[in-house]
Amino acid sequence: AQTVTQSQPEMSVQEAETVTLSCTYDTSESDYYLFWYKQPPSRQMILVIRQEAYKQQNATENRFSVNFQKAAKSFSLKISDSQLGDAAMYFCGVTGNNRKLIWGLGTSLAVNP
Amino acid sequence: GAVVSQHPSWVICKSGTSVKIECRSLDFQATTMFWYRQFPKQSLMLMATSNEGSKATYEQGVEKDKFLINHASLTLSTLTVTSAHPEDSSFYICSARVFQLDSTDTQYFGPGTRLTVL
Repeated sequence: AQTVTQSQPEMSVQEAETVTLSCTYDTSESDYYLFWYKQPPSRQMILVIRQEAYKQQNATENRFSVNFQKAAKSFSLKISDSQLGDAAMYFCGVTGNNRKLIWGLGTSLAVNP
Repeated sequence: GAVVSQHPSWVICKSGTSVKIECRSLDFQATTMFWYRQFPKQSLMLMATSNEGSKATYEQGVEKDKFLINHASLTLSTLTVTSAHPEDSSFYICSARVFQLDSTDTQYFGPGTRLTVL
């Protein structure tokens, strides 16, 4: 069975600063993918970043990057130069061979002006 | 690309009636779609996996006779909540699985449907 743990229910960051959201997971599969999605107040789930477990290089998407530590089963999300529009609920997820997304409980990120 | 629509965005119905929610992949074909339910301030709960041309696979505890899923085409999956009751009130979200050329696959989500049963 796969599990995902997000240990920070709430986080806050000052505009233009950097924040890191933590995520740890457990899986017995050798081939899996990791995701971060954001859910703003509109409740639309938006893909932020994706990481294939077989790739050692950390994924980056503009201001968003991950620190993927496979041995430690850690997949943290770093948001640089935080903007007001980054305020949202962030969900970490892992998917394996059955392609079902297993979700963490989410981290609510507030961005202070 | 990879846009998923849902209709309706919100619906209010009387107890005992049935409600149909549509999930469409607008610019790609999706052999697999997923239906989720989300309660306020909680994570997404997978209800079922919808496969084109075959029966849906339901998660444990989800009543398949209450939540009917039909995936009749590569761009459309529907969720019908039959004989809805107030406890079925929730936010329902669909997603469609996209296969990338590099063999990775990703779920893209619809905007959700808020169901209120009176």
